[in-house]
Amino acid sequence: AQSVTQPDIHITVSEGASLELRCNYSYGATPYLFWYVQSPGQGLQLLLKYFSGDTLVQGIKGFEAEFKRSQSSFNLRKPSVHWSDAAEYFCAVGATGGYNKLIFGAGTRLAVHP
Amino acid sequence: DGGITQSPKYLFRKEGQNVTLSCEQNLNHDAMYWYRQDPGQGLRLIYYSQIVNDFQKGDIAEGYSVSREKKESFPLTVTSAQKNPTAFYLCASSKGQGAGTGELFFGEGSRLTVL
Repeated sequence: AQSVTQPDIHITVSEGASLELRCNYSYGATPYLFWYVQSPGQGLQLLLKYFSGDTLVQGIKGFEAEFKRSQSSFNLRKPSVHWSDAAEYFCAVGATGGYNKLIFGAGTRLAVHP
Repeated sequence: DGGITQSPKYLFRKEGQNVTLSCEQNLNHDAMYWYRQDPGQGLRLIYYSQIVNDFQKGDIAEGYSVSREKKESFPLTVTSAQKNPTAFYLCASSKGQGAGTGELFFGEGSRLTVL
């Protein structure tokens, strides 16, 4: 069965520091992968997605993610974090083959120190 | 502006009462979804609808019901049969019928608290 694991529940970084949020997935075929961000009390917004092609994908707000098939990973990165990046981040894998849904990880809550 | 509107934002319910959460979209999307969010558990799919007058159960449909009489609207009823209804509920939509391959657009959520 498809699954998504985000090993880090909470991460704290200093403003201006680099960031990497980890995501591992379990899926039999080439996955469709997504990162979403959620500000407190709000809905989710898509940061970026990977379907095929270049394994390094660029997203909004200066985020990027790299698909590594050999490691079943899709880690999210940002070179320099801003205080406004404090939020919860969700990795998700698209279940295809007629089963119509996204499977979400449990999320990583990011805190940013000034 | 196009988007998804959920109402109410906050809702309190007494045990044994049914409540209905509204979800309206003006994005002309075919598919709509209801997710439940609990701390530390991510999002779990309750119901989804790929087309008007049709909907499918997700992973945690027990105690919930939906309807899809109009393309724009996908209300969720939390019934008294739902044992632990206190949660944050998110409605979403997607252009095509495949959430697995497309971007989901989310509303701002409805927080339900059972007193």
